[in-house]
Amino acid sequence: QKEVEQNSGPLSVPEGAIASLNCTYSDRGSQSFFWYRQYSGKSPELIMSIYSNGDKEDGRFTAQLNKASQYVSLLIRDSQPSDSATYLCAVRFSGGGNKLTFGTGTQLKVEL
Amino acid sequence: DGGITQSPKYLFRKEGQNVTLSCEQNLNHDAMYWYRQDPGQGLRLIYYSQIVNDFQKGDIAEGYSVSREKKESFPLTVTSAQKNPTAFYLCASSDSPRDRPEAFFGQGTRLTVV
Repeated sequence: QKEVEQNSGPLSVPEGAIASLNCTYSDRGSQSFFWYRQYSGKSPELIMSIYSNGDKEDGRFTAQLNKASQYVSLLIRDSQPSDSATYLCAVRFSGGGNKLTFGTGTQLKVEL
Repeated sequence: DGGITQSPKYLFRKEGQNVTLSCEQNLNHDAMYWYRQDPGQGLRLIYYSQIVNDFQKGDIAEGYSVSREKKESFPLTVTSAQKNPTAFYLCASSDSPRDRPEAFFGQGTRLTVV
C-alpha cells in the first residue's frame, strides 16, 4: 500500500511567522507532488505543484522536494489568519496511473 | 467560466435507497475522479476514469458505481450496499498526466443518511 504521511496538527504559528508543513511518502519512484489548501466545509484548492528536487516559490509559498529522503514540504512566509486551514499533501505514485493519493492533512492555525 | 460542477450540494438519503451524485466539467479534461472525505480525515479514492467508457476502482469502491459515457460527465451512484455513506463527496478532474497532472476539485456534495 503506497502511503502519504502528514502530522495532523494542529500547528499553531503567530501572525507574520513562517509556517512549515511536512509530508513523507512511501514510493521512491514518485514524480508528481501537490499541496492543497482546504478550508472547513469547503473543497480542496490547489496551491502548489512540484516535480523536481529543490525549491519552487510562488508568492508567500515555497514547496521543497527531496526525492532521496522521500519528503516534500510547504513553507508559508508572513503567515496570515486567512492561511488558517487544513493543508493536504498529494502524491501521484509511479505506476499508479493518473490517480492521486492524499495524506490526512495538517491543520494550520495562524494566531493574532 | 471553466470548472467542475457538482450537484446537489446537500443530499439526504433514506436507508436502503440508491442516490446519484452529479459531476460535470467543461475543462476538456480526460481524467475524472471521485473521492470520499470523512470528518477529520484525508481523501480516499472511490473510482477514477482516464478516458470515456473506461473506469477503475479506487481504494474504497465497494457499494459505489460510476459511468463515463461522456467526457464531461462522471456520475457516482451510492448504492444500498454502502453501509456507511454519510460523508463529503468530492469530484475532481485533470488533464494529460504527463503535461498537466494537477487535479482540480468541484465544490463537493455532502450526503447524509436519515
